[in-house]
Amino acid sequence: GNSVTQMEGPVTLSEEAFLTINCTYTATGYPSLFWYVQYPGEGLQLLLKATKADDKGSNKGFEATYRKETTSFHLEKGSVQVSDSAVYFCALGFFSGSARQLTFGSGTQLTVLP
Amino acid sequence: DAGVIQSPRHEVTEMGQEVTLRCKPISGHNSLFWYRQTMMRGLELLIYFNNNVPIDDSGMPEDRFSAKMPNASFSTLKIQPSEPRDSAVYFCASSPILLANTEAFFGQGTRLTVV
Repeated sequence: GNSVTQMEGPVTLSEEAFLTINCTYTATGYPSLFWYVQYPGEGLQLLLKATKADDKGSNKGFEATYRKETTSFHLEKGSVQVSDSAVYFCALGFFSGSARQLTFGSGTQLTVLP
Repeated sequence: DAGVIQSPRHEVTEMGQEVTLRCKPISGHNSLFWYRQTMMRGLELLIYFNNNVPIDDSGMPEDRFSAKMPNASFSTLKIQPSEPRDSAVYFCASSPILLANTEAFFGQGTRLTVV
C-alpha cells in the first residue's frame, strides 16, 4: 500500500545549523509529495510540495526534491532559526479507488535553540 | 477567506456523553477530511467527503463515531457515547479539487478530553 516513513525525532539544533529531515515513501503510481508544518496549538500548514519526479519544492528557506529513484523527499534548510521550532510532517497525495487521500508520516519534532 | 473553521477549540466531557465537533470548510472547496491526532498513533484519516458525499470512512474507528456533511459549508463529527480513549485533537481539512497534487487546508483543531 501507500505509506510514508519519516525520520524519528525529536531533533534539537542550534540556531544557524543545517537541517535535514528524512522522508521516504512507498506508493503505486505517481503520487504528489508534501511537507506540512505544525506550530504549537495550531493546525497543519503546507510548507512545500512537489508533484512529479525531480521537482523541487521550496518555501521560507526550506527545500525538498522529489527523488523517484530513491523514493525520497528529504526536507533541508541551510540555516535554521528559533522560529522554525515546530513539528514537520511528510505526506503523500494519491488516489485509492475513487478516493483522494493524503497519507501523513508520524511527524518530526524540531527544536532550535538560540 | 477565514480558512477552515472548527468549533469548539477545546471540549472536556465525561465518559458516556455525546460529543459533536463542527467544521466549516473554505468556501468553494469540494473535498473535506476529518483527521485525529494522538501521540501514540500520529495523524489518522477518519473520513473523507467529496461534494458532500462520504467517499471513504474506513478510518472511522467504530460505530460510536459518525460524520455528516448536510451541505457544502458544514460538517459534523459525532462521538456517542464518548470514551477516554477518544481524547485527541481532531482536525478538519478541506481541498478545492479532487486531484492528488492539491494540498489540503487544515483548521486549528478541536482538542477533546474525555474524563
